[in-house]
Amino acid sequence: EAQVTQNPRYLITVTGKKLTVTCSQNMNHEYMSWYRQDPGLGLRQIYYSMNVEVTDKGDVPEGYKVSRKEKRNFPLILESPSPNQTSLYFCASIGPQETQYFGPGTRLLVL
Amino acid sequence: AQTVTQSQPEMSVQEAETVTLSCTYDTSESDYYLFWYKQPPSRQMILVIRQEAYKQQNATENRFSVNFQKAAKSFSLKISDSQLGDAAMYFCGSDAGGTSYGKLTFGQGTILTVHP
Repeated sequence: EAQVTQNPRYLITVTGKKLTVTCSQNMNHEYMSWYRQDPGLGLRQIYYSMNVEVTDKGDVPEGYKVSRKEKRNFPLILESPSPNQTSLYFCASIGPQETQYFGPGTRLLVL
Repeated sequence: AQTVTQSQPEMSVQEAETVTLSCTYDTSESDYYLFWYKQPPSRQMILVIRQEAYKQQNATENRFSVNFQKAAKSFSLKISDSQLGDAAMYFCGSDAGGTSYGKLTFGQGTILTVHP
């Protein structure tokens, strides 16, 4: 079954404690992306990746890092989380015609 | 910067009736994709319909259709014969076109309520 998985699904952490949200896809897509969803702001793109070792900033990259060492994985790294990064995060694998295949989402609370 | 605007934060419709959700966008590209995604309470993002800008014919998927006005940069979603399961948040999105494959921008979302 074609799918995008994210872990963890829920996370509560404290300010400054580094965390990583993993994302994996089994569709062999070259493109992958990270979004955050906030009330009234919709989904905003954080970073996207065109292939292994190739990434680019989206609209809200500040405070985030990504890496793409393998085609199937695209982890999102928050090296020093702050409360304004409390959000719902989605990973997506991008298929033909720019169709986004979304993961189930990760709800993050930073205290 | 690319922008997508959904001017209706909330909409409601009676079951079996028709509702139209509005979306406008701004791009300088001539070829690009437009999307509508549905997000039910489960938070899962589900593709509803996709439109390629170079195709003049409006896309349709069963009860869902779009009214694509390229010159006006408008991309509205029409839901016919609304069902209770259509209740969700709907997001309009646009890619940047050109060489920026993978760079997408979404609107703020419209919450659709379906009354029995």
